[in-house]
Amino acid sequence: DGGITQSPKYLFRKEGQNVTLSCEQNLNHDAMYWYRQDPGQGLRLIYYSQIVNDFQKGDIAEGYSVSREKKESFPLTVTSAQKNPTAFYLCASSPNPPNLGGQETQYFGPGTRLLVL
Amino acid sequence: AQSVTQLDSHVSVSEGTPVLLRCNYSSSYSPSLFWYVQHPNKGLQLLLKYTSAATLVKGINGFEAEFKKSETSFHLTKPSAHMSDAAEYFCVAYSGAGSYQLTFGKGTKLSVIP
Repeated sequence: DGGITQSPKYLFRKEGQNVTLSCEQNLNHDAMYWYRQDPGQGLRLIYYSQIVNDFQKGDIAEGYSVSREKKESFPLTVTSAQKNPTAFYLCASSPNPPNLGGQETQYFGPGTRLLVL
Repeated sequence: AQSVTQLDSHVSVSEGTPVLLRCNYSSSYSPSLFWYVQHPNKGLQLLLKYTSAATLVKGINGFEAEFKKSETSFHLTKPSAHMSDAAEYFCVAYSGAGSYQLTFGKGTKLSVIP
């Protein structure tokens, strides 16, 4: 089965701790994205990557970092600099980077809920 | 600049009655438009998308949406609500103008009363 997996489903962070959320896809998609979802708001883009070894900041990148060493994987680290990390985090991928006129449909993983202890 | 407005934050219908979730957009370009559904603590699932081929778009689970350029609307409808339709629905736009970014509405929570 092709799809996007995120782990863990729930993650707890202690004060001052960095935590890493995993996102893996076997859809052979070039582009991957991280979104943050807060109650009553739409999704906000944290980072995106159009291709391996390249990534760009989204609207709310402060306090987050990413890497894209493999096409299938796009982990997100929530650093201690992110003062309000409690949220639902969604990873997505799309077949081609949209600015190349490719398919713009994004496919989403099941999400990780991050809670602060 | 592009924006998406979902006109109702919460809609409640009885099972078996029609569903209407309203979405207006503004964009300098002809956008691609999507409806996604999210069940509690789950990811987003694509219901349907409009990409200028036909103004009436049919999606999964009996949903459809009509693109009306004159009204800048893309409302989601279903003739008869089912209990399993209770979820949050997001209207999303993509401008296609060299931008990676999707613009999300704030969501409409659909409740279905037995």
